[in-house]
Amino acid sequence: DAKTTQPTSMDCAEGRAANLPCNHSTISGNEYVYWYRQIHSQGPQYIIHGLKNNETNEMASLIITEDRKSSTLILPHATLRDTAVYYCIVRVMKTSYDKVIFGPGTSLSVIP
Amino acid sequence: KAGVTQTPRYLIKTRGQQVTLSCSPISGHRSVSWYQQTPGQGLQFLFEYFSETQRNKGNFPGRFSGRQFSNSRSEMNVSTLELGDSALYLCASSLDSHTGELFFGEGSRLTVL
Repeated sequence: DAKTTQPTSMDCAEGRAANLPCNHSTISGNEYVYWYRQIHSQGPQYIIHGLKNNETNEMASLIITEDRKSSTLILPHATLRDTAVYYCIVRVMKTSYDKVIFGPGTSLSVIP
Repeated sequence: KAGVTQTPRYLIKTRGQQVTLSCSPISGHRSVSWYQQTPGQGLQFLFEYFSETQRNKGNFPGRFSGRQFSNSRSEMNVSTLELGDSALYLCASSLDSHTGELFFGEGSRLTVL
């Protein structure tokens, strides 16, 4: 199963775009990239996911490189409420099992 | 619709005791997975159930077990508790489609004294 690597922490000024990178160099063809975030003491919250194409929703954009070895989560206009730990996850979904391996996460601090 | 519900939210046990945690998934979700979160190890996968069958298991000792009922509700049990079992235990449910996201509960915080 693929593993992910993320920076331990990042800062972002309020109102600016937050760009959170993730490396998943051993990802295989049937593995999706998911992003979750966890605000202190709460359960993780789904943000976005993708397979090979770039994706956008009301929360964020996900940019996946053509070789799929890395991706970037973009929060277009970070607010103080976006301060959280962000997890980049490679999800294996096969007919026989569904397993999620969490990366170390990036602690994002949005600064006023 | 109601989210993933975990009970109890907080509990304190002593070493050697056993504990049972409960998870009610979102209505219609058939896959339930469990995770342990500690400051030192982060989020670690425990096991995943689908249609009352354990499909996958993480690297945890046999003291950690679980089951799923016909209504998709799930329980996990930890026997012979150790101090290191103190953690936030998170449950997540999904529709089990190939692109379904996980919906997490708020967790059960276990403290072992």
